[in-house]
Amino acid sequence: DARVTQTPRHKVTEMGQEVTMRCQPILGHNTVFWYRQTMMQGLELLAYFRNRAPLDDSGMPKDRFSAEMPDATLATLKIQPSEPRDSAVYFCASGPGDRGGTGELFFGEGSRLTVL
Amino acid sequence: RKEVEQDPGPFNVPEGATVAFNCTYSNSASQSFFWYRQDCRKEPKLLMSVYSSGNEDGRFTAQLNRASQYISLLIRDSKLSDSATYLCVFNQAGTALIFGKGTTLSVSS
Repeated sequence: DARVTQTPRHKVTEMGQEVTMRCQPILGHNTVFWYRQTMMQGLELLAYFRNRAPLDDSGMPKDRFSAEMPDATLATLKIQPSEPRDSAVYFCASGPGDRGGTGELFFGEGSRLTVL
Repeated sequence: RKEVEQDPGPFNVPEGATVAFNCTYSNSASQSFFWYRQDCRKEPKLLMSVYSSGNEDGRFTAQLNRASQYISLLIRDSKLSDSATYLCVFNQAGTALIFGKGTTLSVSS
């Protein structure tokens, strides 16, 4: 049963520490997304890749966040340095479409980050 | 005006009730529309796409009104298992999906 895999599932860290979240998209999917979910803001798009190329990272704080796809089986989201306001659930999602984000997205179970 | 607005609820209904949610969007160029469902502390999952002519999937009916820029979801004969948060989702061609904050439904026996 194909699924998006995210690690870690839970992370508690202290302010100023580096956090790296990893995602393995479903094999064959060529669009990958990072979303962040909080109670206040809901699901916010952070970054979007198609065929490993970044298409939209306008929702991502550039000074501390970075997103990459070193290869087709791995997407990473890094926060350095982390701050308490970064506490949220970070979801990775992948999709089979070759046209942007249309159609069904398959989400991972999320990485729950707490920054103290 | 926010890109997408949903009544957060909660909507508390008894089993067997019919309940409807609306969602308004501000970008008239939006092309694709969906409803996603998210259970507590779980990831969102696609419930159904929304087509211009309206579409039905069992007890669920989705409709799109482009003139008034809203989509709706109707749930008939509510089940306990329908309790979840329902997310309104849309996008334009070539862009990522934009999610509403969701409407929470609680179905009780």
